[in-house]
Amino acid sequence: DAKTTQPPSMDCAEGRAANLPCNHSTISGNEYVYWYRQIHSQGPQYIIHGLKNNETNEMASLIITEDRKSSTLILPHATLRDTAVYYCIVQRHGGSQGNLIFGKGTKLSVKP
Amino acid sequence: SAVISQKPSRDICQRGTSLTIQCQVDSQVTMMFWYRQQPGQSLTLIATANQGSEATYESGFVIDKFPISRPNLTFSTLTVSNMSPEDSSIYLCSVGASMTEAFFGQGTRLTVV
Repeated sequence: DAKTTQPPSMDCAEGRAANLPCNHSTISGNEYVYWYRQIHSQGPQYIIHGLKNNETNEMASLIITEDRKSSTLILPHATLRDTAVYYCIVQRHGGSQGNLIFGKGTKLSVKP
Repeated sequence: SAVISQKPSRDICQRGTSLTIQCQVDSQVTMMFWYRQQPGQSLTLIATANQGSEATYESGFVIDKFPISRPNLTFSTLTVSNMSPEDSSIYLCSVGASMTEAFFGQGTRLTVV
């Protein structure tokens, strides 16, 4: 079973920040938080990952709480192309990264 | 990064028949993974395919139904055997080509009638 809990859906206005929450209260000390997204009719795409520090890349920012029991993915300026299902996954770093346990994810709808 | 090509992209098949899905990667990888995504659902791992050994299947999936081949480090096939309408899903191939992320093919959309 997935170790994460996410809201089933969220809406965001185009150009605004999208903040997607994820609860992972049973995360282990050696597990990272990964985010993937799946745009309609495509395979999932890696976004970002982190252990305990906040992370930022060209796609998004990841904020992890100090107790590591929850995190938030931030898309700073959402566009219509960011409409997708976003998956939060906890997993050990390294090794076989293709073996992922997907939860139900959050369906983000970016509206004009 | 890794580029994954899956064939066919979609197919409509008669019940009782079998379909073989191909997955080609542009680099050598140790492990390849097959997922199923049923309509409106999330992805579920079917099996892990290692080159030179039998695939490892997840609970609820068996080799007779989903035989997998892994003849070399860049290629794998998944066969969906004796299909029924319940097998209608998207089947995706994945590789972990780096230590930090997985790469997915575009998927094969299968409809069984």
